[in-house]
Amino acid sequence: SYVLTQPPSVSVAPGQTARITCGGNNIGSQSVHWYQQKPGQAPVLVVYDDSDRPSGIPERFSGSKSGNTATLTISRVEAGDEADYYCQVWDISSDHVFGTGTKVTVL
Amino acid sequence: QVQLVQSGAEVKKPGSSMKVSCKASGGTFRYYGISWVRQAPGQGLEWMGGITALSGTTNYAQNFQGRVTITTDESKSIVYMELSSLRSEDTAMYFCARCGPSLMGYLDLWGRGTLVIVSS
Repeated sequence: SYVLTQPPSVSVAPGQTARITCGGNNIGSQSVHWYQQKPGQAPVLVVYDDSDRPSGIPERFSGSKSGNTATLTISRVEAGDEADYYCQVWDISSDHVFGTGTKVTVL
Repeated sequence: QVQLVQSGAEVKKPGSSMKVSCKASGGTFRYYGISWVRQAPGQGLEWMGGITALSGTTNYAQNFQGRVTITTDESKSIVYMELSSLRSEDTAMYFCARCGPSLMGYLDLWGRGTLVIVSS
């Protein structure tokens, strides 16, 4: 089955930039989506189709992809960005696959 | 503004079945698909399966084949997810989420989740 690997945790100081990676075989040929999940809440889509933002998501959230790695970048990090972040792709053999998740801690 | 409203928390015995619902409030999901995603305590997200509202076509994750059934009552804009032969490992938060009509792509609208505890 298809596996998406994320770092378990990322720590960042307020105002700095957080980068969360998502690695998967042949991810370059797939659309990658990103979700933010705060404790006790449902996930929220923050980036779709690699780099597009849904309405209402701040421009500080951006997505990119290079080779077999997709990256979610959070610029000018705020305390409210502290959450778990998951990448996701739709794979023809595995359907919806979520990454292992990354906990972002704002120092 | 469409919202996905899920049924309330449940406690189930091992070996029994659960059935949770997801209602589109303030709109319809007629032209979308609805997926079910679960999250065990302290764990990540796991896709279980989905249904296309218009045609009622279902697709289930291999891990749940034979145990999960997803149905829809389009007239009431409700999608149901039934999971049978429950075991303690099925204790989790169950989310419904809206996706594209083919069940592919991203999940852009989520319900708040339904907590199901499986315990004797």
